[in-house]
Amino acid sequence: GAVVSQHPSWVICKSGTSVKIECRSLDFQATTMFWYRQFPKQSLMLMATSNEGSKATYEQGVEKDKFLINHASLTLSTLTVTSAHPEDSSFYICSGFAPRNNQPQHFGDGTRLSIL
Amino acid sequence: QKEVEQDPGPLSVPEGAIVSLNCTYSNSAFQYFMWYRQYSRKGPELLMYTYSSGNKEDGRFTAQVDKSSKYISLFIRDSQPSDSATYLCAMSPNTDKLIFGTGTRLQVFP
Repeated sequence: GAVVSQHPSWVICKSGTSVKIECRSLDFQATTMFWYRQFPKQSLMLMATSNEGSKATYEQGVEKDKFLINHASLTLSTLTVTSAHPEDSSFYICSGFAPRNNQPQHFGDGTRLSIL
Repeated sequence: QKEVEQDPGPLSVPEGAIVSLNCTYSNSAFQYFMWYRQYSRKGPELLMYTYSSGNKEDGRFTAQVDKSSKYISLFIRDSQPSDSATYLCAMSPNTDKLIFGTGTRLQVFP
């Protein structure tokens, strides 16, 4: 149980385009979803916390206008990287969390974003 | 000082060895402790999850938490080449927002 699906797994696009990444909880209702960024050989860096039906809470230093997060349902959250530039290239990972289940976060398989 | 310290490795061991992975932390409010395994270009996979102090065993994996020393460990018995991955410790006061260690890269060679 507690499966989180993330799509796409890999995307390459030109500088200036916007990219949307989807995160779905397949067998549980994720009232909270987290978005992380991971650089090579480094740990996960929390970008933002999103609760279903509410605005996301961004960590210090993360531009909310650059990284748009929507959590419109209990099973889907999206991260849109707007006007992406090469420095936005990274590995983005989401996780789902349901406090009622008393279980920790379960992670998606990540999205490798490459901006040319 | 980081809230969670973890030796980045790499740690290289022969197949069949017992592996010991460790993290130390400074925040006494942490109550929930997790170990995640991450293969290259994949998301973290939950291995072990413990609450407060004590031991927990699952197959070849044993997690230990010593809150008095602010020290947690993950032991892997009879290590296999398929165990080669990065192991991340994570902890939290209340299971939602996790604080991660930097991860330890483990390589098990045949």
